Amino acid sequence: SQQGEEDPQALSIQEGENATMNCSYKTSINNLQWYRQNSGRGLVHLILIRSNEREKHSGRLRVTLDTSKKSSSLLITASRAADTASYFCATDATGGFKTIFGAGTRLFVKA
Amino acid sequence: DTEVTQTPKHLVMGMTNKKSLKCEQHMGHRAMYWYKQKAKKPPELMFVYSYEKLSINESVPSRFSPECPNSSLLNLHLHALQPEDSALYLCASSQDLIGTGHGYTFGSGTRLTVV
Repeated sequence: SQQGEEDPQALSIQEGENATMNCSYKTSINNLQWYRQNSGRGLVHLILIRSNEREKHSGRLRVTLDTSKKSSSLLITASRAADTASYFCATDATGGFKTIFGAGTRLFVKA
Repeated sequence: DTEVTQTPKHLVMGMTNKKSLKCEQHMGHRAMYWYKQKAKKPPELMFVYSYEKLSINESVPSRFSPECPNSSLLNLHLHALQPEDSALYLCASSQDLIGTGHGYTFGSGTRLTVV
């Protein structure tokens, strides 16, 4: 299965701290995406990193990609209570036509 | 318009009912998707439409029947569902199948309960 695996499964931090989530996958990919989902709602696209990129930033988000290790990380800096959500990585396999989601990390930011 | 709109937001149906979920986007996206998501699990792909044609069916039971009437609309027809089909059904769209670096735009989902 190409499905990504994420760790930790759950993460609880204080407001202002940084949160780091990791994602591993099994096959060659075209790109890797990160999504946020608030409590049973739709997913919101956060950032996409292509296979030939190593790092990407968007506001308080920093994503890294290591294709040799088939892994990615999402760093949220200076977290806020509003960042409380589930975060999913998703991969588009090389030669494939569908996006497969990892198991997700549930982040809880305490005010 | 940068949204995917799903209706209804909530649906309760009996096992003998027929109902439909609707999804609409006006972003000019040519690929549209149905995902199913159980509680505390990742979304699972059900169907993919590209240019209004069914491209991928992930071995979904025939009690789920997708339809793409035009490039902006995607329906999911439901018939004779089972209680285990209760889940959040998510619609998504993208510029095309391969992706152009913008990811997928998801709707807010329909929370389906089968009784």
